[in-house]
Amino acid sequence: QVQLVQSGAEVKKPGASVTVSCKASGYTFTDHYVHWVRQAPGQGLEWMGWVNPYSGGTKYAQKFRDRVTLTGDTSIGTAYMDLSGLRSDDTAVFYCARGGPLSIDYDVFDYWGQGTLVTVSS
Amino acid sequence: DIQMTQSPSTLSASVGDRVTITCRASQSISDWLAWYQQKPGKAPNLLIYKASSLQRGVPSRFSGSGSGTDFTLTISNLQPDDFATYYCQQYNTFWTFGQGTKVEIK
Repeated sequence: QVQLVQSGAEVKKPGASVTVSCKASGYTFTDHYVHWVRQAPGQGLEWMGWVNPYSGGTKYAQKFRDRVTLTGDTSIGTAYMDLSGLRSDDTAVFYCARGGPLSIDYDVFDYWGQGTLVTVSS
Repeated sequence: DIQMTQSPSTLSASVGDRVTITCRASQSISDWLAWYQQKPGKAPNLLIYKASSLQRGVPSRFSGSGSGTDFTLTISNLQPDDFATYYCQQYNTFWTFGQGTKVEIK
């Protein structure tokens, strides 16, 4: 069965960077986009971007373009989200999610990781 | 950017009720609309895609309709497990979510 397993919670100081990992299993990692979504406490869902694990290509939401880097390691079937310049309002749960096959530009998110809480506090 | 607006923000209902949540897009998105259910502390779960197609394993009491800019999610015969927050998502151009509708027990 398809599973996305994310790394554990992080506590960071303002200005620091954080890396969240997302290990995929149960499907061919290089066949589907991996998306990242942010959810601030008590708030809604915000798309951050995707990585194409086959090519390494990426697309980012404008809001995060300057601070986020999405990558994938095909040797271990894992996607990564690096967020730099952390601020207190970055405190949120970050989710990875499987997108559509690479042949489809826009598709839904059919499997999600369990989420990783990143707390930014001095 | 395409904006998605859901209503209501909160909905109080009882087990067995039929509930309807609406979602409006700021421009036409054809039928590139999905619905997700999220329970506290859990990841969202895909219910409906392409406006009206039921995801595998999702109970048939969930249904979706609409096209263009106006969409609805209907839950018939509300069950205890259905009390949750529901989000619409457009995937016509990039991806945008509505602000969510919390279905709570009356």
